[in-house]
Amino acid sequence: GAVVSQHPSRVICKSGTSVKIECRSLDFQATTMFWYRQFPKQSLMLMATSNEGSKATYEQGVEKDKFLINHASLTLSTLTVTSAHPEDSSFYICSARDFSAGELFFGEGSRLTVL
Amino acid sequence: RKEVEQDPGPFNVPEGATVAFNCTYSNSASQSFFWYRQDCRKEPKLLMSVYSSGNEDGRFTAQLNRASQYISLLIRDSKLSDSATYLCVVNTWGDDKIIFGKGTRLHILP
Repeated sequence: GAVVSQHPSRVICKSGTSVKIECRSLDFQATTMFWYRQFPKQSLMLMATSNEGSKATYEQGVEKDKFLINHASLTLSTLTVTSAHPEDSSFYICSARDFSAGELFFGEGSRLTVL
Repeated sequence: RKEVEQDPGPFNVPEGATVAFNCTYSNSASQSFFWYRQDCRKEPKLLMSVYSSGNEDGRFTAQLNRASQYISLLIRDSKLSDSATYLCVVNTWGDDKIIFGKGTRLHILP
């Protein structure tokens, strides 16, 4: 079964609205979670590293005010795409590391379509 | 040199054949290495971790060569269901970076 749950799996929204995506680790505590974006036929691109109880670390070129990340607990991180535009349409994937096992587990991904 | 490099392929391989691909990494401080498999429009799934001594899981063998800074994945007796994109992932503990290769596309031909 899934050890990282991501929700929603699909979301369609109007341009200008905000969308929140949740990422939960189910069987372990994740002090660090990662958020990625993947455009069609392209590789995963790391957007930000989310650390529990502290501010996220954003990769170069990722707008922190547009992609708000909150990691309030050891099992939940959220990504909010604010004022979404059609160019934000993409596949967003989270991952969480089970520190004890050293392995990285992925959520099922969220496909965002902005009309 | 890119941090993690993979041959994008595609590798078109007949069913039953053996196929191998490599992934090179630039940071000698890298500590953990993984192979993930990603099917079209799905999230990546862990295929196997790569240990220093090399490891095998059924038809899959992963190896690490620290001196030359690459990891490899060997698939024996390939099956149609092996068709996917294979991503190598390198983790550097010091700055907690997880770097993905762009993936190698594999097509197993009937």
